[in-house]
Amino acid sequence: NAGVTQTPKFQVLKTGQSMTLQCAQDMNHEYMSWYRQDPGMGLRLIHYSVGAGITDQGEVPNGYNVSRSTTEDFPLRLLSAAPSQTSVYFCASSSPGSYTDTQYFGPGTRLTVL
Amino acid sequence: GDSVTQMEGPVTLSEEAFLTINCTYTATGYPSLFWYVQYPGEGLQLLLKATKADDKGSNKGFEATYRKETTSFHLEKGSVQVSDSAVYFCALSVYYGGSQGNLIFGKGTKLSVKP
Repeated sequence: NAGVTQTPKFQVLKTGQSMTLQCAQDMNHEYMSWYRQDPGMGLRLIHYSVGAGITDQGEVPNGYNVSRSTTEDFPLRLLSAAPSQTSVYFCASSSPGSYTDTQYFGPGTRLTVL
Repeated sequence: GDSVTQMEGPVTLSEEAFLTINCTYTATGYPSLFWYVQYPGEGLQLLLKATKADDKGSNKGFEATYRKETTSFHLEKGSVQVSDSAVYFCALSVYYGGSQGNLIFGKGTKLSVKP
């Protein structure tokens, strides 16, 4: 049971480049989300999804795009990377979508934008 | 809006010392409360949780009690070990009558335990 997986683990981009951070889970969880972690800021929600075909914005969505075509996958797209997007990105999932449920986190992607 | 405030670190303790990390919250709905732990170089994992007032969550010697009257969820451990060195996050999730409760995190407290 792999849980929540994220690729890549590390990435360096130049300003203006685009890329997709991958997230997959094998627990058949309906709810998936993306957070960014910055020093002294805790984790902040970027986007989330309550099921295939349904996504919504979190606290800091600007500059990011998501889609959810399958239950398993929830990729995060950076359309035009900026230095302010240098951060550690975590994907999480939970089931069946209740506010009492534990969220399971992936190992993270460390992104640097030059 | 909903928010979580936890004591700022870093916190440095000697092995076998008593640990308290304070966490208070503001919520307009019916919150569930969580403590997550992040070991160096890893993602977050659930340490414990409580889903209603007066519930006590416990795991690996850590405990926290959901206090509605003081809007608090302080983390405690009677005797810390070097292996407890990590960053600890307090978080809440609020039910809004059918909507998924997204997690709202505190800023994290870094704990270092010295032998």
